Amino acid sequence: NAGVTQTPKFRVLKTGQSMTLLCAQDMNHEYMYWYRQDPGMGLRLIHYSVGEGTTAKGEVPDGYNVSRLKKQNFLLGLESAAPSQTSVYFCASSPRLAGLYEQYFGPGTRLTVT
Amino acid sequence: RKEVEQDPGPFNVPEGATVAFNCTYSNSASQSFFWYRQDCRKEPKLLMSVYSSGNEDGRFTAQLNRASQYISLLIRDSKLSDSATYLCVLGGGNTPLVFGKGTRLSVIA
Repeated sequence: NAGVTQTPKFRVLKTGQSMTLLCAQDMNHEYMYWYRQDPGMGLRLIHYSVGEGTTAKGEVPDGYNVSRLKKQNFLLGLESAAPSQTSVYFCASSPRLAGLYEQYFGPGTRLTVT
Repeated sequence: RKEVEQDPGPFNVPEGATVAFNCTYSNSASQSFFWYRQDCRKEPKLLMSVYSSGNEDGRFTAQLNRASQYISLLIRDSKLSDSATYLCVLGGGNTPLVFGKGTRLSVIA
């Protein structure tokens, strides 16, 4: 099993460009999450999904959109990138009951917006 | 009061030392507690769950004090490979887990 994978691993964008980050999991997990991690800020939840076709806002949703069309995939979109979105983005998944079960993380995507 | 508070460190300890981290939390309704480990430029990974009765996994011991709302992690006989950031994590019900900002540990030869 590959677990949680993320594509791409690295990306450099210019301000105003758009992109989509792809997260895939092969563990048949119901819950999926997108976090960003910045120095001194810890992990901050952007959006999450409790099942196929559902999404919900996390702590820092502004400037991002998400979609969960298939259970195994969770996409994070940046419509108009800003330098403040320079960060490391982690995707995670958990089997059910988000607050009680271990989350499995992908290796991260390092995004730089110039 | 922040939801999860940790001393950011760094804790610099010699090999073989015993080191302990505390984490305090504000939500008394929290039901589940974990310690995650994150190596530099890597993703977080579960180190251990924290049970009400306390639990031990080799050199690692985790304890929960609900009355004072803190959890602790004790590492005995520190190894160089223990150098990492340790994240205090808690959750409850159907809301996503809440991650602390982490405590950085550096074990020195």
